[in-house]
Amino acid sequence: EIVLTQSPATLSLSPGERATLSCRASQSVSSYLAWYQQKPGQAPRLLIYDASNRATGIPVRFSGSGSGTDFTLTISSLEPEDFAVYYCQQRNNWPLTFGGGTNVEIK
Amino acid sequence: EVQLVESGGGLVQPGGSLRLSCVVSGFTVSSSEMSWVRQAPGKGPEWLSSIKGSGGAIYSADSVKGRFTISRDNARNSLYLEMNSLRAEDTAIYYCARDLGGTYHSWGQGTLVTVSS
Repeated sequence: EIVLTQSPATLSLSPGERATLSCRASQSVSSYLAWYQQKPGQAPRLLIYDASNRATGIPVRFSGSGSGTDFTLTISSLEPEDFAVYYCQQRNNWPLTFGGGTNVEIK
Repeated sequence: EVQLVESGGGLVQPGGSLRLSCVVSGFTVSSSEMSWVRQAPGKGPEWLSSIKGSGGAIYSADSVKGRFTISRDNARNSLYLEMNSLRAEDTAIYYCARDLGGTYHSWGQGTLVTVSS
């Protein structure tokens, strides 16, 4: 099973600041990595698929990069609605797995 | 508009059974890959089981293999998860999701399953 390790666990930032979230895989997942955003009481929402492709309707301030084992989600300038938990997920191997999440909180 | 609506969750005793349903609109389950994903309180999501569109191949996580069964009803445009031999650690919110090659593009709102005596 591929283990995805997200860091940091918590990121405390102010609106307007840049957020950089990391996801590291225990073995290569090629570019088959997605990022999701989850707010309290809601289902996860797809942001980025296949490492760098924005899903439909996702603002350009969200971007993804990386391949192999190291991936990054960047939010260029945090909006108030961006404070949430973010998960990465790989689809390269069964079982499909998720990371433990990064909580982006207001500083 | 794509919509997925789960139902069937509730409180069940250990060893009991439940059947979750997911009614879909805006696309057809018969030609789509569909999955069940759960999320225990305070934890990240966990993939459980997927059923492919054409051919209907099924994949399941080891944690639920032999206990949970995914199925679909094309006429009702619905997805199901039959859950047996439930354990306390199965307590979670259960989501159905439209799965495009292993990426979850659309999710339902979830249904809560609580396993407790």
